Amino acid sequence: AQSVTQLDSQVPVFEEAPVELRCNYSSSVSVYLFWYVQYPNQGLQLLLKYLSGSTLVESINGFEAEFNKSQTSFHLRKPSVHISDTAEYFCAVSGTSYGKLTFGQGTILTVHP
Amino acid sequence: GAVVSQHPSWVICKSGTSVKIECRSLDFQATTMFWYRQFPKQSLMLMATSNEGSKATYEQGVEKDKFLINHASLTLSTLTVTSAHPEDSSFYICSEGGTGINEQFFGPGTRLTVL
Repeated sequence: AQSVTQLDSQVPVFEEAPVELRCNYSSSVSVYLFWYVQYPNQGLQLLLKYLSGSTLVESINGFEAEFNKSQTSFHLRKPSVHISDTAEYFCAVSGTSYGKLTFGQGTILTVHP
Repeated sequence: GAVVSQHPSWVICKSGTSVKIECRSLDFQATTMFWYRQFPKQSLMLMATSNEGSKATYEQGVEKDKFLINHASLTLSTLTVTSAHPEDSSFYICSEGGTGINEQFFGPGTRLTVL
């Protein structure tokens, strides 16, 4: 069985400040890790994923996440946020090469001007 | 990425009635679709995996006779909430499996309110 814990339900930050959204997981098997973003009134979109290889993965809009196996974490970071980053972010894990996702509770990131 | 639509985007119904939610893959033939449910301030919980041309696989605790899933074509999966009750009020989201490893493409969701 797998589980995902997002430690912060809401994270308010000011524009251009750095941000970290925390995600910890538990699994008895090797995992694939994902961050999804949900903008208001839209469906979830894949932000980035870790499947294998380099433990640091990046998205096209400046987010990055690092897979830390010893700490069972996959925290999401961005050095300078924009107003447009305001959204809800979901961490997810899958233990198979093609299959169901287990989601965390979500973190609402609100970027203030 | 793939585009997934859901219809309706929101629905209000009376207790005891049935509601059908459609999930369409607009630009991809999806052999596998997933149905999730999200209660307020909670995470998405997988309800079932829908496979084209075969029976859906339900997660533990999800009543298959209450949540009927039909995946009759590669572009359409439907979820019917039968004899809906107020506790079924939730946000229902579908996704299709995509082509990449574990990359799912999600619909915008359907908000169901049962009075």
